[in-house]
Amino acid sequence: DSGVTQTPKHLITATGQRVTLRCSPRSGDLSVYWYQQSLDQGLQFLIQYYNGEERAKGNILERFSAQQFPDLHSELNLSSLELGDSALYFCASSPRGRSYNEQFFGPGTRLTVL
Amino acid sequence: DQQVKQNSPSLSVQEGRISILNCDYTNSMFDYFLWYKKYPAEGPTFLISISSIKDKNEDGRFTVFLNKSAKHLSLHIVPSQPGDSAVYFCAASTYSGGGADGLTFGKGTHLIIQP
Repeated sequence: DSGVTQTPKHLITATGQRVTLRCSPRSGDLSVYWYQQSLDQGLQFLIQYYNGEERAKGNILERFSAQQFPDLHSELNLSSLELGDSALYFCASSPRGRSYNEQFFGPGTRLTVL
Repeated sequence: DQQVKQNSPSLSVQEGRISILNCDYTNSMFDYFLWYKKYPAEGPTFLISISSIKDKNEDGRFTVFLNKSAKHLSLHIVPSQPGDSAVYFCAASTYSGGGADGLTFGKGTHLIIQP
C-alpha cells in the first residue's frame, strides 16, 4: 500500500459525458501527478500540481483539467469523453516538486467510455 | 516519438538466474532514471533509481547500470525469484525543469520467472 488513494476504482460512462477522478496523496506529500495508461501508449504524464499550484503539463488534452485543493487532494476532470479516453488513470505523489524524487502511485481508476 | 524505449515486451528467466531488463533513451536532457515494478490491478511501485552522475546503483538483489554515452540503462535482478514476475517500467526525468516534471515512461517489459 503506497498511501495514495484514488476513487472510484472503476467508472463506466458514455461518450460526451464528464467525469471527475479523485486522488488523495500520501500524508505530507505536496506534489500530485496524474498519468494516463492506455493499451497502445503506455504510461503518459498528464499534469502536476505542487502545493495547490499547477507545476508542469505533459500530454494533457484541452478537454481535461485538474486542480489541487488546500487539503492537497486533487481531482482530474475529463469532459466531452470519447471512446479513446478509455484508460487507466493513475495519480502519484512525492514530497517535493522535483520529479527525481521517487513518486508513489495509487491503485488507479479504470475508465471505460462506451 | 518515444523518448524512453523498452524493446523487449516480455522476458522469461529461470528462478535463481539473473534477469536483465534493458532500456534506451533518446533525450540527452534526462538526468535521473528510475525503475518501477507493476503487478496487475495495482499502481507502479518504485524499485530503484540512478542519477546521471553515477554509472551504477545497488539495492539488495537489484542493480541498475547507466551508460550515458550509449543512452542505455539496464536493471539486473540476482537471483530472480517467483515474486519478481511483474511488468517493469523504465522512467526518466530532467532536473532542470525545462520540460515537464512528470516522468517519461517506457512501455514496460513483462518479466516471467519460471520455476
